[in-house]
Amino acid sequence: DIQMTQSPSTLSASVGDRVTVTCRASESINSWLAWYQQKPGKPPKLLIYKASTLESGVPSRFSGSGSGTEFTLTISSLQPDDFATYYCQQYNSYWTFGQGTKVEIK
Amino acid sequence: EVQLVESGGGVVQPGGSLRLTCAASGFTFSTYNMNWVRQAPGKGLEWVSFISPGINTIFYADSVKGRFTISRDDAKNSLYLQMNSLRAEDTAVYYCARQGWTLDRPDDAFDIWGQGTMVTVSS
Repeated sequence: DIQMTQSPSTLSASVGDRVTVTCRASESINSWLAWYQQKPGKPPKLLIYKASTLESGVPSRFSGSGSGTEFTLTISSLQPDDFATYYCQQYNSYWTFGQGTKVEIK
Repeated sequence: EVQLVESGGGVVQPGGSLRLTCAASGFTFSTYNMNWVRQAPGKGLEWVSFISPGINTIFYADSVKGRFTISRDDAKNSLYLQMNSLRAEDTAVYYCARQGWTLDRPDDAFDIWGQGTMVTVSS
């Protein structure tokens, strides 16, 4: 089974900060990686697919990069609506989520 | 509006059974791969099961294999999860999720999610 490891688990940041979340796969997943945002009591929302493609309607301050085993999600200028938990997911072989990264207010 | 609505959750004793339903609307349900994903209270997301159009292919996570059964009724635009021999560790919000692959957008990320239904396994 492919394991996904996110870091950090929690990130404290301020509005306007540039924020980066890292996701590492236990083996190569090519570019079959998605990023989701989840707020309390709500379902996950797809932000990025195929490692770097922005889902329709998602603000351009979100970006993704990477391939193989190392991936990053970047928020170029953190906005109040962005405080949430972020999950990566591989879909190269079955489906596995990372453990999540909570972005909280500093 | 593209929408998924889950129902059927509740409180059940260990060893009991429950059947979840996911009603789809606003898209051609019969052409999409569908999944169940769960989230235990305060925990992360765990993929549970997959079903392809035409029920040609079905997969389960090891944690539910032999106890849960996924199915679909394309005439009713509905996805199901029959859960038997329930355990305390099955307590979670269960989401149905669509894989958004189309010819214009050939990618299998989960693009549409329902609001979830809570399953609590407790005596």
